[in-house]
Amino acid sequence: IVLTQSPGTLSLSPGERVTLSCTASQTVSSSSVAWYQQKPGQPPRLLIYATSSRATGIPDRFSGDGSGTDFTLTISRLEPGDFAVYYCQHYGSSLWTFGQGSNVDIK
Amino acid sequence: DVQLVQSGADVKKPGESLKISCRTSGYPFPNYWIAWVRQLPGRGLDCMAMIYPSDYDTRYSPAFQGHVTISADRSTNSAYLHFHSLEASDTATYYCVTLVTGINYWGRGTLVTVSS
Repeated sequence: IVLTQSPGTLSLSPGERVTLSCTASQTVSSSSVAWYQQKPGQPPRLLIYATSSRATGIPDRFSGDGSGTDFTLTISRLEPGDFAVYYCQHYGSSLWTFGQGSNVDIK
Repeated sequence: DVQLVQSGADVKKPGESLKISCRTSGYPFPNYWIAWVRQLPGRGLDCMAMIYPSDYDTRYSPAFQGHVTISADRSTNSAYLHFHSLEASDTATYYCVTLVTGINYWGRGTLVTVSS
């Protein structure tokens, strides 16, 4: 399964809303899609699992949605700490795969 | 709490072998998949291989099959990644990741540098 993320890079200002997309090459289970945030020098931080469940400690401005082959991560109001790279992931008993990442940087 | 503690950074020469480790705690190790994920400097995430410790079932990415071997030790709740013959292009950070009741847990990463 290949995951394709869009856009690759976007420049935004604090307070703006952003929606990142992740498209799978074939239908996947909604229970097997996650989203991560990664900052330089740090491991990925789990934001969302099972398409729409927020991980422990993740604020509610982060939300996930989708089904079939199309999944999204929305940040309702960007805060300074949200500028980072975001990855989607498909996981389960088959080999896990990741999207190529979306870089959200400050305008 | 689920914890994954990885071995420390290492510097190797091309052609050398290396085995990095990931010691786990806080969950029943045999019952959940554990994987190794590579991140090249400034690049994305690649799942290299995964293992189910209960029966040692493995999955390999074609890109890494034959170059590495994943293993697990149920007596120490640890997973390992063995590089048979390192190349400069193996310079990267390697993460172990486990999937427990639908949630992924990550180690802090092991930086491997391959340089002559």
